[in-house]
Amino acid sequence: DVKVTQSSRYLVKRTGEKVFLECVQDMDHENMFWYRQDPGLGLRLIYFSYDVKMKEKGDIPEGYSVSREKKERFSLILESASTNQTSMYLCASSRLAGSYNEQFFGPGTRLTVL
Amino acid sequence: KQEVTQIPAALSVPEGENLVLNCSFTDSAIYNLQWFRQDPGKGLTSLLLIQSSQREQTSGRLNASLDKSSGRSTLYIAASQPGDSATYLCAVPNSGTYKYIFGTGTRLKVLA
Repeated sequence: DVKVTQSSRYLVKRTGEKVFLECVQDMDHENMFWYRQDPGLGLRLIYFSYDVKMKEKGDIPEGYSVSREKKERFSLILESASTNQTSMYLCASSRLAGSYNEQFFGPGTRLTVL
Repeated sequence: KQEVTQIPAALSVPEGENLVLNCSFTDSAIYNLQWFRQDPGKGLTSLLLIQSSQREQTSGRLNASLDKSSGRSTLYIAASQPGDSATYLCAVPNSGTYKYIFGTGTRLKVLA
């Protein structure tokens, strides 16, 4: 069974802390994605990566960075957490573009920044 | 620019009804279209992927159709159950990029 896992389901951090969200997939997928989901705003893409050490900014990259040192792992970093980064964070993976690039999601991390 | 719309935003039906959820997209040059289910506070679960060369795809009580020329997909749920209550989203790859464009979802409630 295909799987995308995220390091935490719930996380509470303080303003100014550095936060790491980890995502691991076991499907040998080339693409990995980080989204945030907020009520009324839907899913918004933060960053994605199409290969090891390769990354591209999504629609809302400000305040975030990412790291992909291994194909199966994609990390989202909040350099200095702020209250407006309180959100549900979703990681996903897929094959490279084409008819078969089904996207698979992890269970999500609910981050609260106090 | 690709835009994806889902109507209705919310739907409430009695158990046992057959129902149709709609997804519209503006750019017909898509590789595929994917339907997801999301339970409150959880991640997205992939339900069906329809490739651009297919007209429909079935999984159990779910049937998804794709009409690229009209920019529409429908998700048909047969004999709905309370366990089907969730938000249903559709998504298409954005042409020429690795990105996906998601609809805003239909929140379904099936009443026992």
